[in-house]
Amino acid sequence: QKEVEQDPGPLSVPEGAIVSLNCTYSNSAFQYFMWYRQYSRKGPELLMYTYSSGNKEDGRFTAQVDKSSKYISLFIRDSQPSDSATYLCAMNDYKLSFGAGTTVTVRA
Amino acid sequence: GAGVSQSPRYKVAKRGQDVALRCDPISGHVSLFWYQQALGQGPEFLTYFQNEAQLDKSGLPSDRFFAERPEGSVSTLKIQRTQQEDSAVYLCASSLYAAAEAFFGQGTRLTVV
Repeated sequence: QKEVEQDPGPLSVPEGAIVSLNCTYSNSAFQYFMWYRQYSRKGPELLMYTYSSGNKEDGRFTAQVDKSSKYISLFIRDSQPSDSATYLCAMNDYKLSFGAGTTVTVRA
Repeated sequence: GAGVSQSPRYKVAKRGQDVALRCDPISGHVSLFWYQQALGQGPEFLTYFQNEAQLDKSGLPSDRFFAERPEGSVSTLKIQRTQQEDSAVYLCASSLYAAAEAFFGQGTRLTVV
């Protein structure tokens, strides 16, 4: 069993919809939680970085962490075609452990 | 530079050939990581440097893989006697310290034929 589980999708939504992504993890030592966005043939780009349980909002993006359930989520409001990408959750003790990534397509 | 720079962007190697992949981290970043990303998968950890010291190489898949960062800045990942299963994107990331936000380069796509 992998340390970080993420449904690879793919996920297709119409423009303006809310995109909901999530990951579960097994290692209680993880303290830092991240979401990366990766466009085709590009490196991962950091979207959200959180340390503790709770919510963090940045524009149209909201990250949630529930350490008691070992569950993290990313919500994208008012999704745009430019949000079409692969979204990777990652957790950090000092090195990153990634989920498999969820491929999202936002249809115009 | 403004970001992490990797070269070459693409590399095609014949099976059995040695390759060297370069990473220029963000200036001043102490921590440097190499990851391997297979098609359709998330990146997998290979190795970690703090300055010039290689503190963790537990993710290197075999003794054909070797990484160095001799002056605590530029790093090179070397793969000897490449095999088809080495085909992947190799990503380099740097951060101010180990648990800080990691910034990735665009990766080197290695294809072994």
